[in-house]
Amino acid sequence: GAVVSQHPSRVICKSGTSVKIECRSLDFQATTMFWYRQFPKQSLMLMATSNEGSKATYEQGVEKDKFLINHASLTLSTLTVTSAHPEDSSFYICSLLAGNHEQYFGPGTRLTVT
Amino acid sequence: EDQVTQSPEALRLQEGESSSLNCSYTVSGLRGLFWYRQDPGKGPEFLFTLYSAGEEKEKERLKATLTKKESFLHITAPKPEDSATYLCAVNGDAQGGSEKLVFGKGTKLTVNP
Repeated sequence: GAVVSQHPSRVICKSGTSVKIECRSLDFQATTMFWYRQFPKQSLMLMATSNEGSKATYEQGVEKDKFLINHASLTLSTLTVTSAHPEDSSFYICSLLAGNHEQYFGPGTRLTVT
Repeated sequence: EDQVTQSPEALRLQEGESSSLNCSYTVSGLRGLFWYRQDPGKGPEFLFTLYSAGEEKEKERLKATLTKKESFLHITAPKPEDSATYLCAVNGDAQGGSEKLVFGKGTKLTVNP
């Protein structure tokens, strides 16, 4: 399967600041990548679908102006949480779409907003 | 709307005690059913994809099966290192041609030595 990395693995930021999370495909050219959020003891919730070279598609209830997604190359997608607040604290995970409808996930980024 | 229900929510086994995890699903036009393993604080690790009823796949102590309504993940003679949360997800035609996955809440498996 494809190998996906995320950076940083953990980040702490102050309320009102912005933070950028990178998702890289190390061995696969990913036209489509996904961003998920996972709260404690809950399953993954899709936030948005990121398509290389075009605007991301956001799920209902996800603010596109708050969660900025850029997919400028086939190996990199970024998620920027703007004006973060404590309720944005969560585990953010990206994935890429490989063949046969399969998704391969990154290791996740733990965001804590103080 | 696609739905995935996993049971049980949590399962405790003794090392060597085989069991099965269940994933019941409703989907319009199944394009794939996926099993993942997730360790605490990590992203999901891909295990299997099943595409049609009757299909089976195996990997070490794990075997996944699929019917038209549910999938089972059979764990044979589990070891403590098999302890993790196992997630089931589906992708179907109702997603409008997208590749979105709908996840169940997972089964947390604990294998005691």
